[in-house]
Amino acid sequence: EVVLTQSPATLSLSPGETAALSCGASHTLRDTYLAWYQHKPGLAPRLLIYGASTRATGVPDRFSGRGSGTDFTLTISKLDPEDSAVYYCLQSGTSTYTFGQGTKLEI
Amino acid sequence: QVELVESGGGVVQPGKSLTLSCAASGFDFRNYAMHWVRQTPDKGLEWVALLWYDGTQKNYADSVKGRFTISRDNSKDTLYLQMSSLRPEDTAIYYCARSWGIGAPDYWGQGTMVTVSS
Repeated sequence: EVVLTQSPATLSLSPGETAALSCGASHTLRDTYLAWYQHKPGLAPRLLIYGASTRATGVPDRFSGRGSGTDFTLTISKLDPEDSAVYYCLQSGTSTYTFGQGTKLEI
Repeated sequence: QVELVESGGGVVQPGKSLTLSCAASGFDFRNYAMHWVRQTPDKGLEWVALLWYDGTQKNYADSVKGRFTISRDNSKDTLYLQMSSLRPEDTAIYYCARSWGIGAPDYWGQGTMVTVSS
């Protein structure tokens, strides 16, 4: 099983700043199979990034993803209070998918 | 528009069974792989199971393998999750989601709550 480790566990920033969220994989992943989600209480998770760096439909360009191999990063620029949520990475490159444990972002 | 609506959640005793349903609309259900994902306060999001668009391939998380069964009825645009030998640690909000092949799930339902407690 591929284990994904996200850091930091919690991140507190001010509006207008830039957040960098990390996701490390226990085994090398093909870029195609790394995604990022935003999850707010009471709502369905929202796909932000797939293929490590491709924004999903309707996602603003303040959200960007990069990385390869075992190290991936989600960057959120010009932070807005609406960005407060838990962010998860997901790998889909093996027969069993796995999520990271999440990073709670507080604005 | 794409819509996924889960149902069937509730309170169930440990060791008992429960079946969840997910009604799909707004897209060609038979062309998409479908997933169940759960959310617990302790672990966050946990992927549970995947069923290929034609039902030929099923994959499960180790935590549910042998106890949960994912299935679908493409004539009814509905996904199911049969859960047996339920444990307190299965308590979670259960979401269904779709993906194109083995890609990342893009649309999710609002979830249904399952509580396993005596």
